[in-house]
Amino acid sequence: DGGITQSPKYLFRKEGQNVTLSCEQNLNHDAMYWYRQDPGQGLRLIYYSQIVNDFQKGDIAEGYSVSREKKESFPLTVTSAQKNPTAFYLCASSIQGSQPQHFGDGTRLSIL
Amino acid sequence: GQQLNQSPQSMFIQEGEDVSMNCTSSSIFNTWLWYKQDPGEGPVLLIALYKAGELTSNGRLTAQFGITRKDSFLNISASIPSDVGIYFCAGQGDSGYALNFGKGTSLLVTP
Repeated sequence: DGGITQSPKYLFRKEGQNVTLSCEQNLNHDAMYWYRQDPGQGLRLIYYSQIVNDFQKGDIAEGYSVSREKKESFPLTVTSAQKNPTAFYLCASSIQGSQPQHFGDGTRLSIL
Repeated sequence: GQQLNQSPQSMFIQEGEDVSMNCTSSSIFNTWLWYKQDPGEGPVLLIALYKAGELTSNGRLTAQFGITRKDSFLNISASIPSDVGIYFCAGQGDSGYALNFGKGTSLLVTP
């Protein structure tokens, strides 16, 4: 079954702790993206990657880090430097950057 | 990126009614996309528009790429209860990668 898989569905973080959100796709897409969604808001771009071993900051990259070691995987780390991490995080991918993006089902991160 | 102006913010309609929503931008876009999001899930692509003036349908949904390239419209005909959700517009400019999203239109449909 092809698609984008995000895990876990729910994640809790303690103060000062780094957490990593997983995003895997088996669509053979080149480009992958991470967005943050807050209640009543649109999606805001955190990081994106056009190709393996390359990624660029989006509009709200501070306090986050990513890696793209494999084409199918684009994990997002929410570091302790992100002071307001509670949000719904969405991963997306597209064949290439100019093609429509398709989304996973998201990870909801909360602070303990 | 910029936040697009999407309206209305919410709609509460009866089953069978038609629905219209729109999205405007201060910048020109090359692509307009419309997504639907159900609670706790990721957005699902409904319609993609690539050319100014383009009118595209997907079942009961019809979307248009504005001639000025700064706006787009989505219409839903004969709404049904499963149309409930949040509808987002997204525009893509010359960067080719970043999507700029509206804040969404929340649609509620009563039987």
